[in-house]
Parts: sequence; C-alpha cells; structure tokens
Amino acid sequence: SQTIHQWPATLVQPVGSPLSLECTVEGTSNPNLYWYRQAAGRGLQLLFYSVGIGQISSEVPQNLSASRPQDRQFILSSKKLLLSDSGFYLCAWTLPTGSSYNSPLHFGNGTRLTVT
Amino acid sequence: AQKITQTQPGMFVQEKEAVTLDCTYDTSDPSYGLFWYKQPSSGEMIFLIYQGSYDQQNATEGRYSLNFQKARKSANLVISASQLGDSAMYFCAMRSFTGANSKLTFGKGITLSVRP
Repeated sequence: SQTIHQWPATLVQPVGSPLSLECTVEGTSNPNLYWYRQAAGRGLQLLFYSVGIGQISSEVPQNLSASRPQDRQFILSSKKLLLSDSGFYLCAWTLPTGSSYNSPLHFGNGTRLTVT
Repeated sequence: AQKITQTQPGMFVQEKEAVTLDCTYDTSDPSYGLFWYKQPSSGEMIFLIYQGSYDQQNATEGRYSLNFQKARKSANLVISASQLGDSAMYFCAMRSFTGANSKLTFGKGITLSVRP
C-alpha cells in the first residue's frame, strides 16, 4: 500500500532563516506531487506541483521554491523566511496524470510552520 | 479557471441527525471530478467521497452521499446520522480532466460542529 511521509510535524523558525520541508512517498511510482499551504482557518492554496523528476510548476509567485530530486521525494525550501510564510504546509500525491481521474489526493500529516 | 464556493460559515447539527454541506463550482471544462475532504483539528486531510461529472448516479460512501446537480453546478455533501467525531472542517474540491496535471482546486471549507 502507498504511504506518504512528511516532516517535521512542527517547526518554529526566525525571520530570515532558511527552510527545508521534505516529503516522501512509498509504494507507487511516478506520482504527481503537490505542496499546499493553509493559512489559519482557511482553505488550501496550491504552491507547487510536479509531474516528474526535475519538473516543477509554481502556482503562486512567492518566497518559496520546490525541488524533486528523486521520483518519490518532494522538497519545499526557502532561503530566507518571512513572517507571512507561517502556515500549515501539506504535501500530497496522486496517481500519474491520465492513470485514474477519480484518484484523490493523498495528503501527508502536514507541517505547522511558525516564523517568529 | 475553476472555482469552488463554500459559503456556509459554520454549521451545527445534533448528534444522529443528517446535515448538508453546500458546494457550488464553476468550470468551463466538460469533464471534471468533485471531491470532499474532512479535516479534523489534528490537521490531516481525509478523503471522503468522489463524484465524476458524467456519473449517472449520486455517489455514496457509508454515511456520506453527494447531492450532485450538474445543471446547477452544485455538489452538496450529505452526512447522515451525525456522530461527534464528524466535527471538523469539510472541503469541497474539483479536478479538471484536461491539462497536464491532476491538481485539485479547493474551496475555503465549512466548519461542522456536532452537538451531543
């Protein structure tokens, strides 16, 4: 069965510090991978998605970047955090495009980031 | 562009009663899928139910069912026999079947509180 791991669960970082959040998927090949951010009490905003190694698409211009160095690894980074980067970050995967349109997104448990 | 609208600010339901959570959507794509997720206070996103735009029947999954009205572009979630554990945020989401990725566009969510 497929599983998704996301870490750390919580993170408190000072303004201007770097960020690295990691997400890995097991039990599937060539998944589509996603990073979402959720502000407190709000909906999910898609930040990045990837349909393959090295293929990253950005949905919203911002202080963050993403990379996919391996098929089932997705990393969210920042060189210098801003206060506005605080939020709940969720990684998700789904089957490759065209495999199954009714395949839901499967989410990790999320990382709660507080920038101080 | 796709848009999901969830306007109910917060819903309350008595335990064991049924409740309907509203979702309307807007898309110009002829083929699409609609998803509902539950997010308890722990933050995890739990997939509940899926409805395809060409499905002839409304989707059902246990106590969850979808009241899908394609002409009205609505996909309301019905939870029967509410339980205290149903208290959570509920998100409606849409995926277009065209395009190179399978991203989901989410609504802002609805908070459901179940009273004992």
